[in-house]
Amino acid sequence: DAGVIQSPRHEVTEMGQEVTLRCKPISGHDYLFWYRQTMMRGLELLIYFNNNVPIDDSGMPEDRFSAKMPNASFSTLKIQPSEPRDSAVYFCASSFGSAETQYFGPGTRLLVL
Amino acid sequence: QKEVEQNSGPLSVPEGAIASLNCTYSDRGSQSFFWYRQYSGKSPELIMFIYSNGDKEDGRFTAQLNKASQYVSLLIRDSQPSDSATYLCAVSMRFGAGTRLTVKP
Repeated sequence: DAGVIQSPRHEVTEMGQEVTLRCKPISGHDYLFWYRQTMMRGLELLIYFNNNVPIDDSGMPEDRFSAKMPNASFSTLKIQPSEPRDSAVYFCASSFGSAETQYFGPGTRLLVL
Repeated sequence: QKEVEQNSGPLSVPEGAIASLNCTYSDRGSQSFFWYRQYSGKSPELIMFIYSNGDKEDGRFTAQLNKASQYVSLLIRDSQPSDSATYLCAVSMRFGAGTRLTVKP
């Protein structure tokens, strides 16, 4: 069974450009999480969905960040416009239940120049 | 105060020793506690979860939970060089900054 799939795996872009990160959760999982990881701040929860509905987006740093989950098998995290301080590894994770084990995707390494 | 706190390390132990990793949390109502391992350049993967006070053992790993003290720990017995990684404590869906462990041959 496939795990969590993320694309792209690497993204290099210039400041001001729009960036879209994609995630396909594990089939049957009802929770989807977006995290950002940096050396300085560790692994930060940005937003999570339950049954495609955003539950808590308090971790989204600014209005430049938005996330959607149009169906149970797909989610996007968009940054517009991107800034150099957005450079990080972005992980998507899914779980069956909010208090259960999360399964992480391979991450997207974003570099904003 | 951060919701989940860990000593960032680095923690260095010799091969065969016991490594002890600690974590404290602020939300008294938390019910689920996890330890993840993350190798450099990889994504976090689950080692253990614990929901009840006390100890839970799985092979060389033991998780300990004390809800009254809001404290959770991970012991790694007979540490191996392959255990060298960053260990992340998660309380519900909030993660600590991680403790970097190095096991020296």
